Parts: sequence; C-alpha cells; structure tokens
Amino acid sequence: QVQLQQWGAGLLRPSETLSLTCDINGGSLSGHSWSWVRQFPGRGLEWIGDIIHGESTDYNPSLGSRATISLDTSKKQFSLRLTSMTAADTATYYCARASSLLIFGLKRNWSFDVWGRGTLVTVSS
Amino acid sequence: DIQMTQSPSSLSASVGDTVTLTCRASRNILTYLNWYQQKSGLPPKLLIYGTSTLQDGVPSRFSGSGSESVFTLTITDLQPEDFGNYFCQQSYFYRTFGPGTRVDLK
Repeated sequence: QVQLQQWGAGLLRPSETLSLTCDINGGSLSGHSWSWVRQFPGRGLEWIGDIIHGESTDYNPSLGSRATISLDTSKKQFSLRLTSMTAADTATYYCARASSLLIFGLKRNWSFDVWGRGTLVTVSS
Repeated sequence: DIQMTQSPSSLSASVGDTVTLTCRASRNILTYLNWYQQKSGLPPKLLIYGTSTLQDGVPSRFSGSGSESVFTLTITDLQPEDFGNYFCQQSYFYRTFGPGTRVDLK
C-alpha cells in the first residue's frame, strides 16, 4: 500500500519560493507519474504538474516557468519548487500519485489514485 | 485549454435516494474523465477512472457514464458516508478539474 508523506514551509512572504517534498512509502516508482495538485480556499482544484520516472516533466501552462518538479529515485521522494509566490498562490498543496489506463490503444488516461494529506501554504506579508 | 463545468453546484438529498451529478467538458475528451469524492479536511479520493471503471474498494452503488463532452456520476441508495464534494477531472489535454458538486443531507 503506497503512502505519500509530504512536508514543507507553510507560511511565505510575497516573492519567496515555495519548496515542498513528498516521500513515497511503499510501491514502485515505475509506471506512475508523481504529481502536485493544489486546492484554493474556495475549494477549486488545480493541477500544477507531474514527473514520470525515467521520462519527463509536464506543467500547467497557467504557471508559466514558475514550477519545477524533481524526482530523487534513490530517496524515493519528489519535490515541488514554485517561485515568485503571491497571495493568489495561497492554497492547500497536495502531492499525488497518478496511474494510467490506456484507452482505445491511443493515449493514457491519468487519474490521481494516492494522495498526501496536504500542506496549507499561506502567502502573506 | 479544456474547461470543465459541473452541475448542480450543490444538491440536498436523503439517505436511500438516487442522485446524478453532471460534468461537461468544453470540448471532446473521449472518455478521459475521472471522478473524485472529497470530505472536509481530507484529500480527494478517486472513485471512477476512464469514465466508468470503479476504483478498487469503491462500492458498486457508484457508477459513471458518458463520452465526448458530457459525463454523469450516479449514486444509487445514497448512504450517510456519501455526503461530501464530488469533482470530475479530465486528462485528455493536461489535467483540469471541475468546480465540484456538494452533496449534503436534506
């Protein structure tokens, strides 16, 4: 049973950089993507990006070049860096594992099947 | 960009009811659609993936259907533990979530 345990600073000043890390306990890195999702105070969910073991990263275009996701296979952990934080980035940040299902033999459907408990990140001066 | 909308935004129902939640995509996403349940203070929980496949451990009273741009999640014989927020999510182009439907007790 895979579990994700996340940690990182929860209070930032505007313009600072958010750093969060997620430990992957149990299971294999292969065959999954490792993702970050945030939830705003009004409950809306936003995918930030993900990294696939041995492949590449993918990011939400709305974040421009602010987000960086990395994967340390030796430690079985992945991390998020989000630069130039503002009050609009105040949210609960979740790490998540995504698993895939090949549909029609074409492309994969990715769904988030394991989640961390979330870190409330507040940006305030 | 693919935008997701959900209706209704909230509904009230009683134990034993059957409820149907709707999710719409701004364009054709084939069947690249997933559903989640979220309760207060907890992360979302995957219920259904690929439009209609039940995640392991999810009760059979949950079912999903649809294709292209209109999808539904149906809960039959609503149970007390089913109250909460429900989100759809597409993975056809990047990943986008719907705004959610809140299901509460009438």
